[in-house]
Formats: sequence, C-alpha cells, structure tokens
Amino acid sequence: EPEVTQTPSHQVTQMGQEVILRCVPISNHLYFYWYRQILGQKVEFLVSFYNNEISEKSEIFDDQFSVERPDGSNFTLKIRSTKLEDSAMYFCASSEPLQETQYFGPGTRLLVL
Amino acid sequence: AQSVTQLDSHVSVSEGTPVLLRCNYSSSYSPSLFWYVQHPNKGLQLLLKYTSAATLVKGINGFEAEFKKSETSFHLTKPSAHMSDAAEYFCVVRDSSYKLIFGSGTRLLVRP
Repeated sequence: EPEVTQTPSHQVTQMGQEVILRCVPISNHLYFYWYRQILGQKVEFLVSFYNNEISEKSEIFDDQFSVERPDGSNFTLKIRSTKLEDSAMYFCASSEPLQETQYFGPGTRLLVL
Repeated sequence: AQSVTQLDSHVSVSEGTPVLLRCNYSSSYSPSLFWYVQHPNKGLQLLLKYTSAATLVKGINGFEAEFKKSETSFHLTKPSAHMSDAAEYFCVVRDSSYKLIFGSGTRLLVRP
C-alpha cells in the first residue's frame, strides 16, 4: 500500500540554524500539507500546497517557514532560523485531487536546543 | 469556524470490553469528520471517515463511529478492546479549505 514517507525521523539542531524536513508524498497525490504537534498540544495545520504554490497557511507559518516541491517527488519544509519553540513533531500529509482523505507520514521529531 | 472537542483526555478499559471515545463537533455546514489513531512513535493512521453518506461508519480494526447531527457528536466505538488498540485517538473535522482541525486527543489504555 502506498504511503507517505518523511526524513529524517529525528533531528536535533541549535537555535538559529536552518533545517529542512523532507517528505515524499503518495505518487498520484497533488495536494500536500504540513502539520505540527508541539509536545502535549494539539496537531496544528501549518500550510497546504497545490500546483506549486501555497494554497493556505496558518498564522504559525511566518517568514521563517517555506515549502517547496523541488523535483516532482519530494515536498520540503524549511525553517530558516530555528527557535526553541519550533521543537515539535512535524507531519507531512498528501491527498488526491478533490479527495478529502489526507494520508500522513510518520513524522519528524525536531528538537531545537 | 469548525472545531472538535474530545471529552476525555484518557480512557481506560479492560481487554475484551467495549470502547467508547467521545467527540463533539461544531460546524456551520454539514461536516466531514474523521478519526485518526497514533500508536507510539508512529504516524497518524486514518481509522474512518464520515462525508455525508451513511451515518454509521465502519473503519479498520473493528472500529465504527456514528454521526448524530442532533447531538453534534461523532463518537468512536469498538465492541471488544484488544491490547493493540492502546494508542492516542484524534477526532478531526475538515475545514472548508480542506485543512484538518484536530481535537486534543484521547489516550486509550487497555488493561489485560
């Protein structure tokens, strides 16, 4: 069964450093999403992406965040200058055109020191 | 705005007994509702979804949920709990822009 994959599974970084989280969505899906879950809190929407542009972004998704689909298979989330409060589990999801079911990857646990 | 409220942060049941995880939703239109499960150190797996078809929805692993508009509820049930059901369960509503809005989660503990 096709699945969404994410790398790395864990990442530790120093405050102020740039990180790139990678996702490979299911191959025929065209809608892509990033969510995050700070420890002990709800899963929160960050951004949705379709047709090589952002469809919607939350208030969390400020200028420090960016997304890209560099090569037709990967979908990346970049945090330019990490802050302590960026420590969280980051989930990538994808869905088919006009479908509502989003399929999630296993997540990347980011720890900012 | 759409929202979901999961009424219990923790539920503990004995193996072989029924499971009930409660969820109430708020939506200005007919909602699309989902239950996802997260096992320890795993991703979010779709259990089942309601998208305005049958009000009783069957999912994987013997779980089902009933959409009750009059009560604005979408409770998740299973007749007989198994040890492998121990996980965190999220009730989710889809926003009009397709983003998902998650509840705070219910941690299910299954006692032997």
